[in-house]
Amino acid sequence: IVLTQSPGTLSLSPGETATLSCRASQSVSSSYLAWYQQKPGQAPRLLIYGASTRATGIPDRFSGSGFGTDFSLTISRLEPEDFAVYFCQQYGDSSQYTFGQGTKLEIK
Amino acid sequence: QVLLQESGPGLVKPSQTLSLTCTVSGASVSSGLYYWSWIRHLPGKGLEWIGYIYYSGYTYYNPSLRSPVTISLDTSQNQFSLRLSSVTAADTAVYYCARMGYTNGLLTHFDYWGQGTLVTVSS
Repeated sequence: IVLTQSPGTLSLSPGETATLSCRASQSVSSSYLAWYQQKPGQAPRLLIYGASTRATGIPDRFSGSGFGTDFSLTISRLEPEDFAVYFCQQYGDSSQYTFGQGTKLEIK
Repeated sequence: QVLLQESGPGLVKPSQTLSLTCTVSGASVSSGLYYWSWIRHLPGKGLEWIGYIYYSGYTYYNPSLRSPVTISLDTSQNQFSLRLSSVTAADTAVYYCARMGYTNGLLTHFDYWGQGTLVTVSS
């Protein structure tokens, strides 16, 4: 399954709302879709798993939704520390794990 | 707090073996509660899952990988390791180790990651 993220780069200002898209080439079980945040030089951080369940310590400004082939990550009230690269990941048949190519969220 | 840290050579010659170690703190690789993975980020491409290991030594690898892979555990050091044989320039990447998380009893995501280490394959 190929995951395609859009847009490649999203330019927004603090306080705005970001909506990131992850589209799968085949249907993905909602239970098996995750989102991560990565900042330069840092380890990726799990934000969302099961399409909509926030990981431990993740603020409620981050929310995930979607089903089938279309999933999204919404970040409300953008904070300066939210500007980073975000990527989605799915778990598929035969224990295959694939990732999207990422969306860079930058300060406008 | 669970922390993972990759270590190993940053430069490997073509046809040689790439060896990396992941040191885990805040969790035990021998507890049987978790699986442990290696993932890499190929330049200009996305992330690629390499494989995982369980405390029993059970392993499962991405069948699409071209280079032979071995993941092993060192429970005395609370570490797990990656060996990639007969590497080529196509194996140049940032390599991450990660702990795997469960959803509905299945290993579906990666809940803790290391910072990653760049390995360049070049003569």
